[in-house]
Amino acid sequence: ETAVFQTPNYHVTQVGNEVSFNCKQTLGHDTMYWYKQDSKKLLKIMFSYNNKQLIVNETVPRRFSPQSSDKAHLNLRIKSVEPEDSAVYLCASSYGSAADYTFGSGTRLLVI
Amino acid sequence: QQQVRQSSQSLTVWEGETAILNCSYENSAFDYFPWYQQFPGEGPALLIAIRSVSDKKEDGRFTIFFNKREKNLSLHIKDSQPGDSATYFCAASDNNNAPRFGAGTKLSVKP
Repeated sequence: ETAVFQTPNYHVTQVGNEVSFNCKQTLGHDTMYWYKQDSKKLLKIMFSYNNKQLIVNETVPRRFSPQSSDKAHLNLRIKSVEPEDSAVYLCASSYGSAADYTFGSGTRLLVI
Repeated sequence: QQQVRQSSQSLTVWEGETAILNCSYENSAFDYFPWYQQFPGEGPALLIAIRSVSDKKEDGRFTIFFNKREKNLSLHIKDSQPGDSATYFCAASDNNNAPRFGAGTKLSVKP
């Protein structure tokens, strides 16, 4: 099956903890992204990676960092989570900067 | 600054009616406009898209009408079904940068 796979589906953690989310795509795309979707469904791009190079970083807090081992994987690490980090984190992939994204089903983070 | 605007946060129609979702944009450089459909608990999925050289794109019950001069477009869903109930995102791209997404319109189709 070709798709974008995210784990975990859901994660609950306490303020100050570190979390890490995984994303893998089997579509052969060369660019991967992380989006944050808030409770109002707004989609905000956080990072994009093309050939292991970060090409977009939309002023996200420094506690967020993407981690990529190859073009099929892009993980997201959050050091010392804060309550406002509670959201759905969506991973996506595409060919280059083309707008036909394939999204994963998301990781829902709840910070208590 | 919101570069892509969707005029309605929510829209309710009856089954069988045509749902019309509106979108406008500011950047004249945008030339590709996809619409994404998102069901609860899932990620957005590409539904239909149009390039700025066209003024209409049709795919089954879904049609995009595009007005380049007015910088707006609309998604028409003919014969709406309860299964079409979802959030619809309009997006815009110039193919050199990541697309900008609108805030989404939540469509409810009542049986």
